[in-house]
Amino acid sequence: GEDVEQSLFLSVREGDSSVINCTYTDSSSTYLYWYKQEPGAGLQLLTYIFSNMDMKQDQRLTVLLNKKDKHLSLRIADTQTGDSAIYFCAERPSGSARQLTFGSGTQLTVLP
Amino acid sequence: NAGVTQTPKFQVLKTGQSMTLQCAQDMNHNSMYWYRQDPGMGLRLIYYSASEGTTDKGEVPNGYNVSRLNKREFSLRLESAAPSQTSVYFCASKKTGAQAEQYFGPGTRLTVT
Repeated sequence: GEDVEQSLFLSVREGDSSVINCTYTDSSSTYLYWYKQEPGAGLQLLTYIFSNMDMKQDQRLTVLLNKKDKHLSLRIADTQTGDSAIYFCAERPSGSARQLTFGSGTQLTVLP
Repeated sequence: NAGVTQTPKFQVLKTGQSMTLQCAQDMNHNSMYWYRQDPGMGLRLIYYSASEGTTDKGEVPNGYNVSRLNKREFSLRLESAAPSQTSVYFCASKKTGAQAEQYFGPGTRLTVT
C-alpha cells in the first residue's frame, strides 16, 4: 500500500526560509498535496502538484517534486510566526476510488 | 456558507458507552469522509461515502459505523467506545473531480476513559 513519510519537527528563525520534506511510495500517477493545520483547527489545503510536474510556485510557497526519488518538498520563503503549524503531506493516486494517504505531519516552529 | 460543521467539539465517554458524531456540509459536495488523527500518525481514513447512498471502509473501520443520511450529512457512530478510540475526529467533504480539494471540519476531540 501507499506510505508517506515526513520528519516530525522543524524550527526556523523568523525571516528565514523553511523547507519541509516528504517521501512517498506509490509509483502510479498521483496528486500530491500540502495541508496546514493550526492549533485546534482542521486541515487547510495550501497547494497541490500533479506528478507530471517538477515545480509549482504560489506566492511564498514553492513545491518541488523529484519523481525519481519520490521526494516532495515545500519551501516557505520569509517564514513568519503565523506560519507556525503542522504541515501534512498527502498523496492520492489517480483513479476515482482511491483516497488520500497522509504523512504524520511536520510541526513547524518559527522562532522570533 | 458554513462549510463543514461537526458536533460536538469535545466529548468524554466511559468505556462501553455509545455516541454519534455528526457532520454536515453545505457545499453540495458528493463525497464525505471521516478521519481520526492520533499524535505522530497523521490522519487515517475510517469510512468514506463517495455519493449519497454509498459508504465504504477506509484504513481503520473497526469499532465504527457510518450513515450517509442525505447529501449534506454523514454521521459516525461508536457503538461501544474503547480507550483506543480516544482521538481527534475530522470530517471532510469534496465535490466530484480528480483535482477537487477536500474541505475539513474543525474536529471533535473524543476522550474515552
